[in-house]
Amino acid sequence: GDSVTQMEGPVTLSEEAFLTINCTYTATGYPSLFWYVQYPGEGLQLLLKATKADDKGSNKGFEATYRKETTSFHLEKGSVQVSDSAVYFCARGNFNKFYFGSGTKLNVKP
Amino acid sequence: DARVTQTPRHKVTEMGQEVTMRCQPILGHNTVFWYRQTMMQGLELLAYFRNRAPLDDSGMPKDRFSAEMPDATLATLKIQPSEPRDSAVYFCASGLGGGPNTEAFFGQGTRLTVV
Repeated sequence: GDSVTQMEGPVTLSEEAFLTINCTYTATGYPSLFWYVQYPGEGLQLLLKATKADDKGSNKGFEATYRKETTSFHLEKGSVQVSDSAVYFCARGNFNKFYFGSGTKLNVKP
Repeated sequence: DARVTQTPRHKVTEMGQEVTMRCQPILGHNTVFWYRQTMMQGLELLAYFRNRAPLDDSGMPKDRFSAEMPDATLATLKIQPSEPRDSAVYFCASGLGGGPNTEAFFGQGTRLTVV
């Protein structure tokens, strides 16, 4: 069935390190793909999205490219900050439903 | 600043009691989702409404859970009777349109503890 798979966390990085969080999906049709971020005690916030193959979503220094050939939507950031510490969720939307991955916790140390 | 509002933010109740969680979607949004978040299961879609009509509640235990939208500004999720395994954070989200590109805007959640 349709699903989203994320790399397991936690991921611990030093400030200014390069970040990659892997996400792959299975789906029928052509889903839209999203990254959401959840800060402690908060709800999820949309970080970025891509609606078709080869689209690149970007926001706040984060980027992800919709790769249809590898069914992936990996999240990257060139230089993380302590304030990026949060849980990141990959999600896909397709015909009215959202399905989320299990989330990847990111800890950034000063 | 438009946002999804959920009440209460925290709820502690005894097993067997009825629990009602409320959600005010963003004005003008026609799609409402209910999610449950636990450490073990992650985010689970419980139910989803479009234009106040329930379109999918297959993720919801039918025997004790019910979700309704009495009007366009209020969505409710009720558990009766509650059980300890229902302890989780319940999120409401709303969106506009409902097509594959619909962005979901999340509330801050209701943290439910059933003892």
